[in-house]
Amino acid sequence: GQNIDQPTEMTATEGAIVQINCTYQTSGFNGLFWYQQHAGEAPTFLSYNVLDGLEEKGRFSSFLSRSKGYSYLLLKELQMKDSASYLCAVLDSNYQLIWGAGTKLIIKP
Amino acid sequence: DAGVIQSPRHEVTEMGQEVTLRCKPISGHNSLFWYRQTMMRGLELLIYFNNNVPIDDSGMPEDRFSAKMPNASFSTLKIQPSEPRDSAVYFCASSFGLSGPQETQYFGPGTRLLVL
Repeated sequence: GQNIDQPTEMTATEGAIVQINCTYQTSGFNGLFWYQQHAGEAPTFLSYNVLDGLEEKGRFSSFLSRSKGYSYLLLKELQMKDSASYLCAVLDSNYQLIWGAGTKLIIKP
Repeated sequence: DAGVIQSPRHEVTEMGQEVTLRCKPISGHNSLFWYRQTMMRGLELLIYFNNNVPIDDSGMPEDRFSAKMPNASFSTLKIQPSEPRDSAVYFCASSFGLSGPQETQYFGPGTRLLVL
């Protein structure tokens, strides 16, 4: 079966750095997405990785290791507005997007 | 661009009633997706269309659910009859439906459905 694992919840301090991990086992791989979802709102696109390595986009970076079936989202200089759920999703060999359950990130002052 | 548009934003209905949710995808996008999200089950894909044709409806819970896409700019998700367990947030999303980053899905604001 297809499976994506993420921690259910994480807590971090304003101004700090947090890393949210995602491991996946899917039938094929055509890319990995990270989405942010604030409470009561829709998921919004953050990043896409298809090659190994780190993609940096402002305060957010996303890393991928295809051989390990592993990705992480790195958030720097945390702000209160970063409190949200972060969803990892993998595009499988049929170009179906397989979603993780999401990681709820709580930022404390 | 207006983004993905959904209506209604909120719907409260009684068990047994018919519910119709509507979606207008982003212009130029070829794929459209209907999702349901609950605290217990997370984000679930119900059905998706490519070029207005249903490709995979294996996520549709049962015969009470049906979806149509009569043209490239409009889709509906219908529940008849509705049941309390259908209470959830229903999202519509669209993408170019090509490959790689073009598969990025853009979500509408969702319809919050409460069936009493």
